[in-house]
Amino acid sequence: AQTVTQSQPEMSVQEAETVTLSCTYDTSESNYYLFWYKQPPSRQMILVIRQEAYKQQNATENRFSVNFQKAAKSFSLKISDSQLGDTAMYFCAFNNAGNMLTFGGGTRLMVKP
Amino acid sequence: GAGVSQSPSNKVTEKGKDVELRCDPISGHTALYWYRQRLGQGLEFLIYFQGNSAPDKSGLPSDRFSAERTGESVSTLTIQRTQQEDSAVYLCASSLDIGGYYGYTFGSGTRLTVV
Repeated sequence: AQTVTQSQPEMSVQEAETVTLSCTYDTSESNYYLFWYKQPPSRQMILVIRQEAYKQQNATENRFSVNFQKAAKSFSLKISDSQLGDTAMYFCAFNNAGNMLTFGGGTRLMVKP
Repeated sequence: GAGVSQSPSNKVTEKGKDVELRCDPISGHTALYWYRQRLGQGLEFLIYFQGNSAPDKSGLPSDRFSAERTGESVSTLTIQRTQQEDSAVYLCASSLDIGGYYGYTFGSGTRLTVV
């Protein structure tokens, strides 16, 4: 069974600074997909960024980028120039064609003015 | 529709009553998923549909939980004889591709409170 671990229950960062959220996963598969989702107080899960395991290049979406270390089974999310609107729960998720996403326990991020 | 719609947004029910939660996926999305999120926790997989079939029901917590999907569209999650431990947010998601490789689109969830 696949597991996803987020070791930081809560984090805070000053507005305009950079923060990195950690995620590790466990799988015996060689090809899979990794995701970061954001869940603001509105409860709706929003896809932030996606990484395909067979691609070595780290994915980037504007201020959001990942550091994907396949051998270490690590998939961290870096948020640059943090904004107040980034305050939310962030979930790391894994999919290996098992037709369901497996989620980590989440990291609560607070961006302080 | 433009997004995944869930109803009701909030539901308060008495212990022992049955509840139905509804999910309207994005039109044309083949796969539909139900997750449960307890307060302050991550998402727990319940069930998914491929078309109108549910290949994997292993996540349903007990036989009080059931789900169906019709017309490859609307899905209903039913909880019978609700218990206080059923209190949670129930999230529905859909995806265009069966594997969900491009991620899921989620609804805003139904917050269920059993009193």
